[in-house]
Amino acid sequence: DTAVSQTPKYLVTQMGNDKSIKCEQNLGHDTMYWYKQDSKKFLKIMFSYNNKELIINETVPNRFSPKSPDKAHLNLHINSLELGDSAVYFCASRQMESGNYNEQFFGPGTRLTVL
Amino acid sequence: SQQGEEDPQALSIQEGENATMNCSYKTSINNLQWYRQNSGRGLVHLILIRSNEREKHSGRLRVTLDTSKKSSSLLITASRAADTASYFCATVPRGANSKLTFGKGITLSVRP
Repeated sequence: DTAVSQTPKYLVTQMGNDKSIKCEQNLGHDTMYWYKQDSKKFLKIMFSYNNKELIINETVPNRFSPKSPDKAHLNLHINSLELGDSAVYFCASRQMESGNYNEQFFGPGTRLTVL
Repeated sequence: SQQGEEDPQALSIQEGENATMNCSYKTSINNLQWYRQNSGRGLVHLILIRSNEREKHSGRLRVTLDTSKKSSSLLITASRAADTASYFCATVPRGANSKLTFGKGITLSVRP
């Protein structure tokens, strides 16, 4: 019955590795997001997809590649991991409505530690 | 770029007291939202206030919005230990293409 789920919850890996984080929502929403929260709790948007189409792509290194196989899933693949990638990554979703920017629903987060 | 700035950055109160948190922002907004984040968890939406609204209530929460001062406040009445969390304001700028911009957050500690 989880609304927005992410796997894994924790990810510890070595510098230079490639890793993926998965996100799924069962709310029937058409828009999904990836955010990065740093050690000071600052939350920054990275990507957004609406109905599998990329609509927001912030200034993120191209080592980060999102993929949305369907509107219920948004995965994040990270190549050549760096120490600075260590953070908590949150997935979120919402239902887009014309003229009304409503609330987002967040997943529990994936804590990535790069050694 | 960061839009919302909350203050104080940290707040410690006794259970039963009221907690007031403030948020200021820079550009015209479509709406402003408050979220709570418990330690080690994801964000949970608390309340949304539109640019044409001045005050909104939800249970023990009261949010005000002053668009002339570009500021909002979140009041939690009769606080409980379970209210201990980080609170974030987030704004949707007017004319923005579906982007929510978060402030740095306020850490609230409620002592039992």
